[in-house]
Amino acid sequence: SQTIHQWPATLVQPVGSPLSLECTVEGTSNPNLYWYRQAAGRGLQLLFYSVGIGQISSEVPQNLSASRPQDRQFILSSKKLLLSDSGFYLCAWSRSFTFDQPQHFGDGTRLSIL
Amino acid sequence: DQQVKQNSPSLSVQEGRISILNCDYTNSMFDYFLWYKKYPAEGPTFLISISSIKDKNEDGRFTVFLNKSAKHLSLHIVPSQPGDSAVYFCAATTTSGTYKYIFGTGTRLKVLA
Repeated sequence: SQTIHQWPATLVQPVGSPLSLECTVEGTSNPNLYWYRQAAGRGLQLLFYSVGIGQISSEVPQNLSASRPQDRQFILSSKKLLLSDSGFYLCAWSRSFTFDQPQHFGDGTRLSIL
Repeated sequence: DQQVKQNSPSLSVQEGRISILNCDYTNSMFDYFLWYKKYPAEGPTFLISISSIKDKNEDGRFTVFLNKSAKHLSLHIVPSQPGDSAVYFCAATTTSGTYKYIFGTGTRLKVLA
């Protein structure tokens, strides 16, 4: 069966510090991968998605970036965090870009910026 | 521009009764819709979906209804159980595009024992 792992579960970082969140998927190959953010009182906002190694599409311009160094690894990064980067970050995967394959989410990372 | 809206931030229902969660969308290109359930400190889990070629899809206690003319979908949970207490998100996508999901802001359901 397929599993998705995200870490860390919680993170407290000072403003201006760098960020690296990692997500890995097991039990499948060539998944589509996604990074979402849920800010307080908001829905899930798609930040990045990837259909393959090295292929990243950005949905929202911001000081975050994503990379996919391996088939089942997706990394969310920032060089300098802002207060507005606080939120709940979720990684997700799906088998392919077909409508009958829902996205499956990890348990998320709660990021607090001080 | 919120293309998918869940106008009720919260809903309380007695155990055993029906829970109805609503979702409205504005983009007529959306043709596939999903519901996710989310517990605190966990990621959302897929619950049920519906294609625009249908107006109803049922899975156990969960039924999703789609009214394309009104651009409205709803999730019915019958009978509601305390374990159903969670935040429910609806999502919409276009199967002719990049299949990106647009999520609503969620409705917090509380089932009272």
